[in-house]
Amino acid sequence: SAVISQKPSRDICQRGTSLTIQCQVDSQVTMMFWYRQQPGQSLTLIATANQGSEATYESGFVIDKFPISRPNLTFSTLTVSNMSPEDSSIYLCSANSQGVPYEQYFGPGTRLTVT
Amino acid sequence: KNEVEQSPQNLTAQEGEFITINCSYSVGISALHWLQQHPGGGIVSLFMLSSGKKKHGRLIATINIQEKHSSLHITASHPRDSAVYICAAPGPYNNNDMRFGAGTRLTVKP
Repeated sequence: SAVISQKPSRDICQRGTSLTIQCQVDSQVTMMFWYRQQPGQSLTLIATANQGSEATYESGFVIDKFPISRPNLTFSTLTVSNMSPEDSSIYLCSANSQGVPYEQYFGPGTRLTVT
Repeated sequence: KNEVEQSPQNLTAQEGEFITINCSYSVGISALHWLQQHPGGGIVSLFMLSSGKKKHGRLIATINIQEKHSSLHITASHPRDSAVYICAAPGPYNNNDMRFGAGTRLTVKP
């Protein structure tokens, strides 16, 4: 199995600034994902972080707002750019190994509050 | 219609009670996950199961693939079990396309 850590665990930021969230997995994984959970809502996929290439974004999410990096098989970052209070959410990193058996792992989440 | 549905949305119990949270899904899956989200927002993966039953301490998860239904049970509930419990299943075409239930908010009173 794999353990995912995220930094920071929480932050309070001013509008107009940017925050980069880091996701570290303790073993090599195939796929890494970023999710957002707005207050009172369920988790929504932002994008799939692809190693060595641009992330694949879901409808409603764009690279300019949520740039993502994945320089290797164990690490990814999500930046929330030019933040507004509407960006206040929990951001969750997830990963899977597509071997047999298939396993999915979840990070602890980052709680972001934008004032 | 949500592909992953949980019930109940909210649940209040007295300490010591046996708790059951249900999850139904409409997609074919390879595995289903139960997650626990603490009041501070932190998420913990409780179980991943593709058949039968798994037990960890006072938590038991069961799944019936034919009926597309899973349950999470908590025995001898305790106030520290108060959290939101979320079930999640991969989408029908792609294991990477995870679908999340809306969550069940559990409050256990002393």
